Amino acid sequence: AQSVTQLGSHVSVSEGALVLLRCNYSSSVPPYLFWYVQYPNQGLQLLLKYTSAATLVKGINGFEADFKKSETSFHLTKPSAHMSDAAEYFCAVSVPTGNQFYFGTGTSLTVIP
Amino acid sequence: GAGVSQSPSNKVTEKGKDVELRCDPISGHTALYWYRQSLGQGLEFLIYFQGNSAPDKSGLPSDRFSAERTGGSVSTLTIQRTQQEDSAVYLCASSLTSSGGVGTQYFGPGTRLTVL
Repeated sequence: AQSVTQLGSHVSVSEGALVLLRCNYSSSVPPYLFWYVQYPNQGLQLLLKYTSAATLVKGINGFEADFKKSETSFHLTKPSAHMSDAAEYFCAVSVPTGNQFYFGTGTSLTVIP
Repeated sequence: GAGVSQSPSNKVTEKGKDVELRCDPISGHTALYWYRQSLGQGLEFLIYFQGNSAPDKSGLPSDRFSAERTGGSVSTLTIQRTQQEDSAVYLCASSLTSSGGVGTQYFGPGTRLTVL
């Protein structure tokens, strides 16, 4: 079975500061990992995904995530937060042999001017 | 259309009534998913359609929930005898192929259901 844990339901950072959103997963087989962003009143949008290629994955809007198998983590980072980054972020896991995606409970990012 | 569309965007209903939620996936996408997003919760998988295969209904919370997909395109999620705990945002997503979980899902804006 697969599951995802997002540590911190709310994260606040100052504009220009580092963004770090944490995601740990559990999977009995090599996983595929995703980060989605949900802006207010909009649907979820894919930020980036890991599918067993390079462990450091670059996504849209300057975000990247580092797959660390030894730590079962897939934390999302961005060097410098922008006001437009304020949104809800979801980590998700799936596996090559399955149809389902398992989502975390989300982390709400607030950017303080 | 350019993306996944869902209707209605908001639905308020009385307890015990039936509701139908509609999803129009991206043209050509063979996989379609329904999720439920409750306040403070992650996305809860409900049902998955892939082409003409039998749907994966393992996430449906009760027999009051059902879904169909006509012609491999539009999908309707039906909730019968709604209860207050059914209040949530219902999200639909489609992908070009499930490809063993790799297929990127494109989400609609959701339908916010409120059961009074």
